[in-house]
Amino acid sequence: ETGVTQSPTHLIKTRGQQVTLRCSSQSGHNTVSWYQQALGQGPQFIFQYYREEENGRGNFPPRFSGLQFPNYSSELNVNALELDDSALYLCASSLVGRGTDTQYFGPGTRLTVL
Amino acid sequence: QKEVEQDPGPLSVPEGAIVSLNCTYSNSAFQYFMWYRQYSRKGPELLMYTYSSGNKEDGRFTAQVDKSSKYISLFIRDSQPSDSATYLCAMKPGNAGNMLTFGGGTRLMVKP
Repeated sequence: ETGVTQSPTHLIKTRGQQVTLRCSSQSGHNTVSWYQQALGQGPQFIFQYYREEENGRGNFPPRFSGLQFPNYSSELNVNALELDDSALYLCASSLVGRGTDTQYFGPGTRLTVL
Repeated sequence: QKEVEQDPGPLSVPEGAIVSLNCTYSNSAFQYFMWYRQYSRKGPELLMYTYSSGNKEDGRFTAQVDKSSKYISLFIRDSQPSDSATYLCAMKPGNAGNMLTFGGGTRLMVKP
């Protein structure tokens, strides 16, 4: 059973640019969630995808968007980057509908916006 | 005021000590409670998962939930230097899917 993987590990962008982060879910998982973790803070829920549809969203603006693919891999896209978007972006996968919904986190992508 | 409050620490203890980590919360709808451990530059790792009030034990770890006080705890017995990490509490209502609300984390240092 493979774990959750994310790419890239680190990324540096400038304000106003767009970025795409990628996540590969744990084998057999059908749900992926994305979280933003600012330095010294706990993760904050961005959104969740189940069966390729967004079905839950936290307090994040529309410039944060995502995709989930048939193989349950996922992307997080952020447009018009702002300095405050600098954070660790975490992807978590889970298997919903089989009696357990434990989320397993990837190692994260550290985004720096200059 | 944040929905979930957690003392950021750092908490420094000698090896072998019993560690107590705590979170308070304000949303009475929370029903599922989790503790995650996060090492530096890594993603959070699930340690304990409990539903509603009560205690749960797993090896050196014990999780307690007191919904009447809106207070949860994680106890670590016989703490080891390898336990040095940031501990995050997380919780969600019964109908929230995967939307976890996290505390800010407590940094723990266990000294040999």
